[in-house]
Amino acid sequence: DAGVTQSPTHLIKTRGQQVTLRCSPKSGHDTVSWYQQALGQGPQFIFQYYEEEERQRGNFPDRFSGHQFPNYSSELNVNALLLGDSALYLCASSSPMIIETQYFGPGTRLLVL
Amino acid sequence: AQSVSQHNHHVILSEAASLELGCNYSYGGTVNLFWYVQYPGQHLQLLLKYFSGDPLVKGIKGFEAEFIKSKFSFNLRKPSVQWSDTAEYFCAPRDDKIIFGKGTRLHILP
Repeated sequence: DAGVTQSPTHLIKTRGQQVTLRCSPKSGHDTVSWYQQALGQGPQFIFQYYEEEERQRGNFPDRFSGHQFPNYSSELNVNALLLGDSALYLCASSSPMIIETQYFGPGTRLLVL
Repeated sequence: AQSVSQHNHHVILSEAASLELGCNYSYGGTVNLFWYVQYPGQHLQLLLKYFSGDPLVKGIKGFEAEFIKSKFSFNLRKPSVQWSDTAEYFCAPRDDKIIFGKGTRLHILP
């Protein structure tokens, strides 16, 4: 049973560019959450998707947007990249039966130059 | 504002020592409480969780945590640590959203 997978593993962009990160949830999971983890910090909640809609959102600007597809996979898009967006981006999925327990992927490390 | 504080950023212990990692949160009302662990080179994974009932909860690998409502605390404990417990530990309370602490890096000396 594959766990949560994310792509790409690493990414380098320049300021002002746009980036798309992808996540496939664990089999049987329908809820996907995205987190940003800056160096030396804990993960910060960006948003959560369920039934292809954004259900909750953390304190992130509108430059951060997402999407969930009918197969429950998800994308995180960040526009107009800033140096401060450099971080590890984590995806977590959860099941409809145990929604509070999240399974995390390995993350995508984004470096903005 | 909702916040969480982990008392120690780095902890170094010898094998067989006892461990307690502090966590305090500022939420009111009903709170779900989690501890996550990240072993070197691995994904974040759930160590234990508290939703309701017995305030002493047991997790994987011999870890336990005690919810003390009056102190807004959810400290993580293990009576005797092993070298394999070397990892980063995150306390994460959840009200309407989950908030992670900054983490505690635990290093166990063999």
